[in-house]
Amino acid sequence: DIQMTQSPASLSASLGETVTIECRASEDIYNGLAWYQQKPGKSPQLLIYNANSLHTGVPSRFSGSGSGTQYSLKINSLQSEDVASYFCQQYYDYPTFGSGTKLEIK
Amino acid sequence: QVQLRESGPGLVQPSETLSLTCTVSGFSLTSYGVNWVRQPPGKCLEWMGVIWGDGSTAYNSLLKSRLSISRDTSKSQVFLKMNSLQTEDTAIYFCARAGINYPGVMDAWGQGASVTVSS
Repeated sequence: DIQMTQSPASLSASLGETVTIECRASEDIYNGLAWYQQKPGKSPQLLIYNANSLHTGVPSRFSGSGSGTQYSLKINSLQSEDVASYFCQQYYDYPTFGSGTKLEIK
Repeated sequence: QVQLRESGPGLVQPSETLSLTCTVSGFSLTSYGVNWVRQPPGKCLEWMGVIWGDGSTAYNSLLKSRLSISRDTSKSQVFLKMNSLQTEDTAIYFCARAGINYPGVMDAWGQGASVTVSS
């Protein structure tokens, strides 16, 4: 199985700041990577697929980048509604998820 | 409007079988795959398996011996059955639609069904 190592485990930032979350795959996943947002008590929601494609309806302050084994999610101009956990998921092979990043507002 | 809704028992006895149903609307099960994903309390997501639009299935190798996914297209329902449950199977169980162009992507999720394994 392909292992996904996500960092940091938690993150605290101020409103309006830019934050970046990283994910590293145990082997090349050829951009087969998605990012999800999960708010407390809710189900995950797709943000990004194909490493850098924004899902329909997702605000443009979210962006994804990377290639090979290294990928990142960037959130510009942090808003209060962005408080959530974020997960990466590879789908180059049978799906596996990162361990998640819990984002809080300072 | 795409919707998925999980249903099933909230409490299961150890060693028994879990049965969950995912009822979908707004899309056809013959065109889209449906995944099952679970999340133990405070832990990360684990993909369990998928049933594709053609009815074929794929399973997480760690769960394959205990897991079965099937469907009834006439009722727009997907079923999960997992036997020999243990306390570590306590989790929220989600069904999620597979994307049409990127089948490994999960582009719509149900609200989740909480399952506790306890005597």
